[in-house]
Amino acid sequence: GNSVTQMEGPVTLSEEAFLTINCTYTATGYPSLFWYVQYPGEGLQLLLKATKADDKGSNKGFEATYRKETTSFHLEKGSVQVSDSAVYFCALGTGGFKTIFGAGTRLFVKA
Amino acid sequence: NAGVTQTPKFRVLKTGQSMTLLCAQDMNHEYMYWYRQDPGMGLRLIHYSVGEGTTAKGEVPDGYNVSRLKKQNFLLGLESAAPSQTSVYFCASSYDGVDTQYFGPGTRLTVL
Repeated sequence: GNSVTQMEGPVTLSEEAFLTINCTYTATGYPSLFWYVQYPGEGLQLLLKATKADDKGSNKGFEATYRKETTSFHLEKGSVQVSDSAVYFCALGTGGFKTIFGAGTRLFVKA
Repeated sequence: NAGVTQTPKFRVLKTGQSMTLLCAQDMNHEYMYWYRQDPGMGLRLIHYSVGEGTTAKGEVPDGYNVSRLKKQNFLLGLESAAPSQTSVYFCASSYDGVDTQYFGPGTRLTVL
């Protein structure tokens, strides 16, 4: 079946450090891939997405590349800020009626 | 353009009481979803709808009912609340099943 696996948190980094949050997926067909972010006390919001292999999604300095050969969609940012502290969810849209969400990775950024 | 709104934001119930959570979206989306979010459990899908007048069960539907009488509204009902239903509830909508989901701000429900 379809599934998403992302690295467990929490991830704790100092400001200006490099961030990677790993995400791998299992899916039939050609899914769309998403990263959502949830700030404290809020709902999830789309951070970036990619709809086909080799596409790169980017937003607010975050990037992720859709790698079909490794079934991965890792989230990266070159220099994190305190304001990036949040929970990040990798997600998979397969053409069915639902999106499959990963368990979420909490990021803490220290000043 | 309000996006997705949820009412109420907070609620405390006693065991056995009933309540209805309201979700409204102004984006003319066909698909709407109800999730619950618990510590360490990520998001779990309760029920969803693929259009006005339709509903379907998600992963954890027991103890909940839903209705989609109007395209813009999706109601989640708890007929007899239990402490296990203490959670944060999120509503979301999307244009189709593979597109971006737009989430509401959540309802924090405590059942005593």
